Amino acid sequence: AQSVTQPDIHITVSEGASLELRCNYSYGATPYLFWYVQSPGQGLQLLLKYFSGDTLVQGIKGFEAEFKRSQSSFNLRKPSVHWSDAAEYFCAVVLTGGGNKLTFGTGTQLKVEL
Amino acid sequence: GAVVSQHPSWVICKSGTSVKIECRSLDFQATTMFWYRQFPKQSLMLMATSNEGSKATYEQGVEKDKFLINHASLTLSTLTVTSAHPEDSSFYICSGFRGRSDIQYFGAGTRLSVL
Repeated sequence: AQSVTQPDIHITVSEGASLELRCNYSYGATPYLFWYVQSPGQGLQLLLKYFSGDTLVQGIKGFEAEFKRSQSSFNLRKPSVHWSDAAEYFCAVVLTGGGNKLTFGTGTQLKVEL
Repeated sequence: GAVVSQHPSWVICKSGTSVKIECRSLDFQATTMFWYRQFPKQSLMLMATSNEGSKATYEQGVEKDKFLINHASLTLSTLTVTSAHPEDSSFYICSGFRGRSDIQYFGAGTRLSVL
């Protein structure tokens, strides 16, 4: 079945440590790929997106993600985490020709220890 | 960036009453708006796609008579939960699609509690 998987429900890192959040998708064709962050009281904010081209994508707040076609993955990374990065992170896809509908992964809750 | 305003942010209602949630795109025209539902500690599930001036398209399993969606203008879509019951309690989120960018911009969500 077509799906978006975020294997890690919870992740805890120390402030200043590096971070990688995993995302895998199972679709026949390469979809459009997104990472969103959700903080309490705020709407989902787009961190970055991949449509085509360079497979390493830079986003806001120091985040980057790498698309790996062979692994059907789009993992989110940050070299040094700040306490304010604590939030819920969602990977999402839009199938090309899919009517712009976003399908979300189950989310990863990030906790940052000071 | 584009801003989507959602109102109210929190609403409590009695069972059997109806509740209306508004979603406005403040600085862009959203030809398409989407409505999602999010249960605690879970992901967002698409409920329906709303196109300006036409009937909404509902996802499988979503009752269109319970969740009435109106998209009367390019900047406003409303979701009305009719005859609400406690099982309708949830977090409802809207988004506006800014076509040229292929990006959805999200409102902050509405927490509905049905007593």
